[in-house]
Amino acid sequence: KNEVEQSPQNLTAQEGEFITINCSYSVGISALHWLQQHPGGGIVSLFMLSSGKKKHGRLIATINIQEKHSSLHITASHPRDSAVYICAVKAGGGSNYKLTFGKGTLLTVNP
Amino acid sequence: EPEVTQTPSHQVTQMGQEVILRCVPISNHLYFYWYRQILGQKVEFLVSFYNNEISEKSEIFDDQFSVERPDGSNFTLKIRSTKLEDSAMYFCASLKDSQSNQPQHFGDGTRLSIL
Repeated sequence: KNEVEQSPQNLTAQEGEFITINCSYSVGISALHWLQQHPGGGIVSLFMLSSGKKKHGRLIATINIQEKHSSLHITASHPRDSAVYICAVKAGGGSNYKLTFGKGTLLTVNP
Repeated sequence: EPEVTQTPSHQVTQMGQEVILRCVPISNHLYFYWYRQILGQKVEFLVSFYNNEISEKSEIFDDQFSVERPDGSNFTLKIRSTKLEDSAMYFCASLKDSQSNQPQHFGDGTRLSIL
């Protein structure tokens, strides 16, 4: 069973700060998701990656498969980035996979 | 951009009653999922569905739960006799196919409250 740990659990930042959220997992995976959950509850997929680095706007996700670790970075953070950020992993091959989720990191960006 | 839609957004039901949560996955997607998130806890996998049958289910998905794709567009989760501990946010997700390395797309969830 894969254990997914995120840190920190809560993060408060000032607008403009650089944010890093970390995710580690215990068992080898084939891909890792970063997801965003807003206060209303809906989940949006930000990235899926299996190696290296991906960038979308102010968001950057990296993964180190050997170290079983991924980071999500937010540059020039903004109050609208305030949300819960969730790491979820996919184990095994194929596409009909289930995801195992971390507990999430609650990010609050103050103006 | 196509979306996964879920209805209702909030369902309040008396304990012991049956409830059906509805999802319309993205139209050309082939793999469907239900997840659950109890308030304050992590999201948990319930069941995956492909080619009109369950592919995998978790230990949470006991005999009280069932899923169905009654037509070409809907994907439903039924809880036969609800318990207080079934109160949670239920998310539907869909995935396109096995060839592309694509993420699952999630709906906005149904908040189920059991009284």
